[in-house]
Order: sequence, then structure tokens, then C-alpha cells
Amino acid sequence: KAGVTQTPRYLIKTRGQQVTLSCSPISGHRSVSWYQQTPGQGLQFLFEYFSETQRNKGNFPGRFSGRQFSNSRSEMNVSTLELGDSALYLCASSTLEGGTGELFFGEGSRLTVL
Amino acid sequence: DQQVKQNSPSLSVQEGRISILNCDYTNSMFDYFLWYKKYPAEGPTFLISISSIKDKNEDGRFTVFLNKSAKHLSLHIVPSQPGDSAVYFCAATQGGSEKLVFGKGTKLTVNP
Repeated sequence: KAGVTQTPRYLIKTRGQQVTLSCSPISGHRSVSWYQQTPGQGLQFLFEYFSETQRNKGNFPGRFSGRQFSNSRSEMNVSTLELGDSALYLCASSTLEGGTGELFFGEGSRLTVL
Repeated sequence: DQQVKQNSPSLSVQEGRISILNCDYTNSMFDYFLWYKKYPAEGPTFLISISSIKDKNEDGRFTVFLNKSAKHLSLHIVPSQPGDSAVYFCAATQGGSEKLVFGKGTKLTVNP
């Protein structure tokens, strides 16, 4: 069974640009969530989607947005990139409608903003 | 405000001995607690969880203890193996959400 797939794995952008990251969950998983990992702040929750609906949103500015498609695949977008957006962005999926937190994570997309 | 805290950034133990990783939380509304393990260049991997209605959960070499009155949980690994060397994250969630609040992690090194 294939795991959570994130693309691209690495990318470099400059300040002011925008970026779109993609996530394909494990087959059959309908819940997708996104996390940002930085050395200073650790792992922080960005969004949670279930059946194309955003169920929860973390404490991030409006430059961070996401969506989920009918096939459960998800994308997140960051507009007007800032240096502080450099991070590892992790996508996770689960099969559970009512979460117990047992998430399956992808390997992440490492974003560097210059 | 850090709701989940792991106060030890690193821990080093000898192979075969017990590893104890600790975690404190402040939000009494959390109803599930989890431990994740992360190797470099990989995403976190779920290890073990515990519901707030229990005080212990065991899975092979891994046991998680929950002390609700102290708002403290710990992960015991017995016996520790070199392959256990990784960063361990404590996490918590509430209300059936997949929103996890993570601690900043403890890097465990198991020496042969």
C-alpha cells in the first residue's frame, strides 16, 4: 500500500513569490492535514480537511491556504512568501472521521525562501 | 503559549537499558495523547497513543503512562535498541480533531 506522497520534495523560492504544495493521501483515507516544521517552533498545525471541507485551521496568516479535492488529494498554497516561511511542510492522512490523532505522514516538502 | 512541552531536548542511553521520555501538557481538554518517532529526512511515524480515560498503554517494548492529575505523560522503551535512535515527539488532541499539538521533541540516542 503506497504511503502519503508529497510533491515537490524540495523547492527554492524568493521572497514575494507564491508556492503550491501537493499531497496524495493513502488510498481510502479521507482526512488530510498539514503541518509546518521549523527548528524554532517545532511542528505546528496548519489545516485539516475531510471530504473537501476544512474542519480546522491553525494560527497562521491568510497567506496560507489549502484545499482538498474529491479524490482526497490536497494542496496548500503560500502567497507572498517571506523568509520565515522556510520550513518542512508535512502532509498527513488518516482513515478516521473522528480523530484519535493516528496520522500517517508523508516525507514532507522542504521549502527554502531566499 | 506552549500547551505541550518536552523539557529534555536530548537523551542518551545504553543499549538494553530503559529509555524514559517525558512530556507535560497544560490543556485539560486534551483527550488523546500520542508519541511519534521521526528519523532524519522522513516524516513522523506514529508509535503509540493513550486515551485520557486510561493511565497506561503497552505495545511491545513501548509503554505510555498518563498521569492526568500532574498533566504528565511518559514513554518507556524497554529494552532500548540502537534502531530506536530518533527524535520523539509527544502530541495531544481533543474533541475528535486531527489537529495535533506537538511538543518540540526529544532526540534519543541509544549507544551500542
